Amino acid sequence: GENVEQHPSTLSVQEGDSAVIKCTYSDSASNYFPWYKQELGKRPQLIIDIRSNVGEKKDQRIAVTLNKTAKHFSLHITETQPEDSAVYFCAAMKYSSASKIIFGSGTRLSIRP
Amino acid sequence: DTAVSQTPKYLVTQMGNDKSIKCEQNLGHDTMYWYKQDSKKFLKIMFSYNNKELIINETVPNRFSPKSPDKAHLNLHINSLELGDSAVYFCASSQGGLAGGTPQFFGPGTRLTVL
Repeated sequence: GENVEQHPSTLSVQEGDSAVIKCTYSDSASNYFPWYKQELGKRPQLIIDIRSNVGEKKDQRIAVTLNKTAKHFSLHITETQPEDSAVYFCAAMKYSSASKIIFGSGTRLSIRP
Repeated sequence: DTAVSQTPKYLVTQMGNDKSIKCEQNLGHDTMYWYKQDSKKFLKIMFSYNNKELIINETVPNRFSPKSPDKAHLNLHINSLELGDSAVYFCASSQGGLAGGTPQFFGPGTRLTVL
């Protein structure tokens, strides 16, 4: 079955710097890759997603890149702000008769003032 | 407000009891899910229903029984609660779970504590 590995597990960056979180997946048939942000005590919320027919997608300070050949995708946050502090989850999914999303283990991002 | 809602938000109970968590979505989605998030924050899918039919049933004890009276509701009943069941349970929904990858929208979570 699909396996998603996420690194690093914790990340601390200075406010204003960039943060990068990387994920690899095992099933080459996976074709949908969402990223979720979970603040302390809150629900996971979708922040950006990418499909396999696209190599990069950007939304203001957040971007995601996908390398299908290497089976990895990354989240890039530029000009980090204190409110970016949260746990971030990557996920991978393939279309099938019983589609399910497999989540990475999460990255706890801390922004230092 | 359009959203995924769950009740209760907190649930504290004794070992051996039976409890239920309710979930409702008014987003018009046809697929609903239950996830368990343990103390290490790992999100693991438990069940998925599409139009009231069970389509995903991961390896969870049969003490857990989901029920979907209609496509807007997916409830989770847990029998004979054990200490290891303590976790946060999230309900989620999406559109077209069978057809393709679409975003999942999560409920606020139910923090279950078994004493």
